[in-house]
Amino acid sequence: AQSVTQLDSQVPVFEEAPVELRCNYSSSVSVYLFWYVQYPNQGLQLLLKYLSGSTLVKGINGFEAEFNKSQTSFHLRKPSVHISDTAEYFCAVSPGAGSYQLTFGKGTKLSVIP
Amino acid sequence: NAGVMQNPRHLVRRRGQEARLRCSPMKGHSHVYWYRQLPEEGLKFMVYLQKENIIDESGMPKERFSAEFPKEGPSILRIQQVVRGDSAAYFCASTGGTGELFFGEGSRLTVL
Repeated sequence: AQSVTQLDSQVPVFEEAPVELRCNYSSSVSVYLFWYVQYPNQGLQLLLKYLSGSTLVKGINGFEAEFNKSQTSFHLRKPSVHISDTAEYFCAVSPGAGSYQLTFGKGTKLSVIP
Repeated sequence: NAGVMQNPRHLVRRRGQEARLRCSPMKGHSHVYWYRQLPEEGLKFMVYLQKENIIDESGMPKERFSAEFPKEGPSILRIQQVVRGDSAAYFCASTGGTGELFFGEGSRLTVL
C-alpha cells in the first residue's frame, strides 16, 4: 500500500519570496511521483512528474521538485512566487510500471501575499 | 482540441434520488479513472475503466455506486439513492499511456 503525507496544510508566503511545499511518501515498490495544482472550482493540472532518471525535475510555471529516495521525499520548490501561484497543490504517487492509479496527499494551500 | 469533458459541472439531488455523472476522455484516450474529492481532502481513487471493461474498482463503495465505459459514448458514474455523505466533487481523468493523467474540471454533487 502507498501513502502520501503533505506536511503543511497551509503555507502563506510573500510575493517574490521562495517557497517549498513538502511531500513524503511511503511505498514498498518503485513509484512514479507527481505534483498537481488546483485552482478554485477547477480540475487538477499537472505541474511536474518523476518517472525515472534525473532526480531533479523541472515543471511548468517555474516549479521544480527533487526526488530523494533515501528520505522518501518529493518536495516542490519555486525560487520566487507570484500572486497567480495562489492555489492548492497536491502531491501524488502511483506504483509505476504504467499504472496511473494515483494516491494523493491531502493538499497544501499556498497563499501568496502581495 | 477538447480536454477531458465532464458534465454536469454542478448537480443538486435530494436524498434518495439518483445521480449520473458523465465523462468524455480526451481524443484518443481509452483509459478512464474516476476520483472523489471530499471537502478539505485530497482525491481518492474510485475506479479505473477501459472501453467496456472495469479494470480496478477497489475504491468504489460496495453499494449504490457503479461505473461504466461503453464502446460508444462517455463513461458514466452512477450513484443510486444518494445520501448527504455523497456530496463531493467527482473528477474524471484519462490517459493514453504517456505518463500523464489529464483531469476534467469535475462534477460537484450536492445532496440536500
